Amino acid sequence: DIQMTQSPSSLSASVGDRVTITCRASQIISSNLLWHQQRPGEAPNLLIYAASTLRSGVPSRFSGSGSGTDFTLTISSLQAEDVATYYCQHNNSYPRTFGQGTRVEIK
Amino acid sequence: EVQLVESGGGLVQPGGSLRLSCGGSGFTLSSHWMSWVRQAAGKGLEWVANIKPDGSVRNYVDSVKGRFTISRDNAKNSLSLQMSSLRAGDTAVYYCVRGGGHFDLWGQGTLVTVSS
Repeated sequence: DIQMTQSPSSLSASVGDRVTITCRASQIISSNLLWHQQRPGEAPNLLIYAASTLRSGVPSRFSGSGSGTDFTLTISSLQAEDVATYYCQHNNSYPRTFGQGTRVEIK
Repeated sequence: EVQLVESGGGLVQPGGSLRLSCGGSGFTLSSHWMSWVRQAAGKGLEWVANIKPDGSVRNYVDSVKGRFTISRDNAKNSLSLQMSSLRAGDTAVYYCVRGGGHFDLWGQGTLVTVSS
């Protein structure tokens, strides 16, 4: 199975800050990487697919990059509504697996 | 509105069975791979199973193989998960998700609690 490891596990930042979350796959997964946002008490919601393609309707302050084994999710200017847990997930093989999540809070 | 709605969750004893259902609206469910993903309280996400649009291919995570069966009724725009030999470790919110790995639409989830 491919293990997905995110860092940090949690972070606290101020509104307007640039936030970066990293995700590392235990094997090469090309660009078969998605990012999901889960706000407190809600279901997850797809933000980015194919490592860097922003889903329609997602604010442009979100961006993704990387390929192979190392990926990043960046929020260019953190907003209050971005408080959530963010998960990376690979779509390269079975079983599909997720990272453990990164909780983002406002300082 | 494009949405998925799950039902069928509840409290079940260890070793028991439960059937989850998911209905789609606002889109043609029969055109898409569909999946179930679960989340234990305070924990991360775990993909459970998926099924091809015509139902001819099904995949499962190892921990549920032989105990869970994913199925679909395209005429009714619905997806199901039959769960048997349930264990405490199966306790989670179960999400119905559009996609076989490209998870682009999530239901609100239904809670399954396995406890005596």
